[in-house]
Amino acid sequence: GENVEQHPSTLSVQEGDSAVIKCTYSDSASNYFPWYKQELGKRPQLIIDIRSNVGEKKDQRIAVTLNKTAKHFSLHITETQPEDSAVYFCAATSYSGAGSYQLTFGKGTKLSVIP
Amino acid sequence: DAGVIQSPRHEVTEMGQEVTLRCKPISGHDYLFWYRQTMMRGLELLIYFNNNVPIDDSGMPEDRFSAKMPNASFSTLKIQPSEPRDSAVYFCASNSGGRTGELFFGEGSRLTVL
Repeated sequence: GENVEQHPSTLSVQEGDSAVIKCTYSDSASNYFPWYKQELGKRPQLIIDIRSNVGEKKDQRIAVTLNKTAKHFSLHITETQPEDSAVYFCAATSYSGAGSYQLTFGKGTKLSVIP
Repeated sequence: DAGVIQSPRHEVTEMGQEVTLRCKPISGHDYLFWYRQTMMRGLELLIYFNNNVPIDDSGMPEDRFSAKMPNASFSTLKIQPSEPRDSAVYFCASNSGGRTGELFFGEGSRLTVL
């Protein structure tokens, strides 16, 4: 099955600086890569996603890049703000046989933005 | 729509007791997923349904866990008997895109087994 590695596990940045979270995946057939944000005690929520036919996608202060050859993708947050503090999860979709697909999550990155 | 609704939000029980977690997906969504979240293992997919039919239950840890979806608006995850290592937050999620659609998560059910 798919294996998604996420780094770093914790990240502290000063307000206004950029934050980068990186993920690698193992299944070359994976073609959908979402990122979820989970605030403390809350549910995970989708913040951005990218499909394999695209190399980069931006939405205001967040961007995601995908390198299918190297099987890695990254989340970039610019001009970080205290409300960006949360746990971020990357994920990848893989085929697990008999018409079954799984969305496999990374272990998460706890981002702290220091005012 | 009110979103994905889970109950109970918190459950504290003793080892050996039966636990039933409930989920109401967003109306019109044909996929339903059960995830377990722990600090050690992160978000793990337990099982998912498409049109009320279980598609992949390979993530269900053992026979003590079972899940059902009797109709399009209701699903249960049952643990019997419960053990302390089952303590976790259990999330239900639904979508209409399956593997490539946004997952809409419920608030989660925090289970503590003493």
